[in-house]
Amino acid sequence: NAGVTQTPKFQVLKTGQSMTLQCAQDMNHNSMYWYRQDPGMGLRLIYYSASEGTTDKGEVPNGYNVSRLNKREFSLRLESAAPSQTSVYFCASSVGTEGNTIYFGEGSWLTVV
Amino acid sequence: AQSVTQPDIHITVSEGASLELRCNYSYGATPYLFWYVQSPGQGLQLLLKYFSGDTLVQGIKGFEAEFKRSQSSFNLRKPSVHWSDAAEYFCAVGPPGAGSYQLTFGKGTKLSVIP
Repeated sequence: NAGVTQTPKFQVLKTGQSMTLQCAQDMNHNSMYWYRQDPGMGLRLIYYSASEGTTDKGEVPNGYNVSRLNKREFSLRLESAAPSQTSVYFCASSVGTEGNTIYFGEGSWLTVV
Repeated sequence: AQSVTQPDIHITVSEGASLELRCNYSYGATPYLFWYVQSPGQGLQLLLKYFSGDTLVQGIKGFEAEFKRSQSSFNLRKPSVHWSDAAEYFCAVGPPGAGSYQLTFGKGTKLSVIP
């Protein structure tokens, strides 16, 4: 039972490069999320998808785009990476959005130089 | 707007000692409350949650938390800490009936355990 799987686990980018973080869940969840985690900041929501076919901005969406490819997959794209986007990124999913337990992936460590 | 404060950035306890991690929230009504744990290099895992009812909530791994409305607190406790409990702990708060996307996470408390 894989749960939430993210790739890649580690990535180094140069400023201005683009990349996509991939996420897939095998729990038949309707809702998926992308968070970033920075030291001393806790988790902050970047984008979420309440259900297949919908996406919405979270607290810190600037510089990112997302795609809910199907019910299982939710990708996060950095079009032009900046050093301020150096962070640990977590994909997560839940059955629905109302008070449901959120299940997290293991994280993707991104460094922008 | 809701907010959550974890006053302790880092706590060190001896193995076998009791543990209490503090969480204070700001919200006008009784919110949804959660505690998550993050082991090094891992994602977050839900320990327990409170929506309503009994104010003492039992979770996994022997943890419990008590909701105190008068103190706007939701502190996490464990009677006897094990070395494997060393991790970072996050409290989260959301409006009642809210979507999970409306959760606000605290900045975390890192727990170190001395053998």
